[in-house]
Amino acid sequence: EAEVAQSPRYKITEKSQAVAFWCDPISGHATLYWYRQILGQGPELLVQFQDESVVDDSQLPKDRFSAERLKGVDSTLKIQPAELGDSAMYLCASSSPHAGGLDNEQFFGPGTRLTVL
Amino acid sequence: SQKIEQNSEALNIQEGKTATLTCNYTNYSPAYLQWYRQDPGRGPVFLLLIRENEKEKRKERLKVTFDTTLKQSLFHITASQPADSATYLCALRYGGSQGNLIFGKGTKLSVKP
Repeated sequence: EAEVAQSPRYKITEKSQAVAFWCDPISGHATLYWYRQILGQGPELLVQFQDESVVDDSQLPKDRFSAERLKGVDSTLKIQPAELGDSAMYLCASSSPHAGGLDNEQFFGPGTRLTVL
Repeated sequence: SQKIEQNSEALNIQEGKTATLTCNYTNYSPAYLQWYRQDPGRGPVFLLLIRENEKEKRKERLKVTFDTTLKQSLFHITASQPADSATYLCALRYGGSQGNLIFGKGTKLSVKP
């Protein structure tokens, strides 16, 4: 069964360092999302792509966060510099209204657990 | 801004009983409401979707209701099993088929044998 891939699964870094996360969505899914989930909270959307274009990045802290999906397939989320408050799970999800299942269903990857020391 | 409340952080029930989880929202009704399951250290997994013009949806032992007057959705798991233990997230979507999902904090369900 097709899955969303994310790497690394775990990342420990010191504050002020740069970190990058990678996501490979399910093949054919045009929409890609990056979420941040703080422990005990629900996921919060950071950025949404439709193909290679950003649809919504209103909640992305653009002074330190950046995201790209250059060829409309895989995507990278970067934080520079990392701060203590960035410690969280970073989830990638993809969806397609033309997928075999229900439209609007989002398929999530396993996430990257970031710890900033 | 839109608020979503899942009524309890944790729910403990006995195996075989029905688990009922609540999701309340403020302001206007969403186009869709979804329920996801999340296991520790994993990403959420989609379970059910219910649209604003639907009152009830079922899938095997799962049932979701949507009451736009009460601004509430109920999620039921009948004949619960220890394997149902997980965090269940309610999520609302506005603005068309690809609008953003807004998630609640989740309710952690523990089913004891």
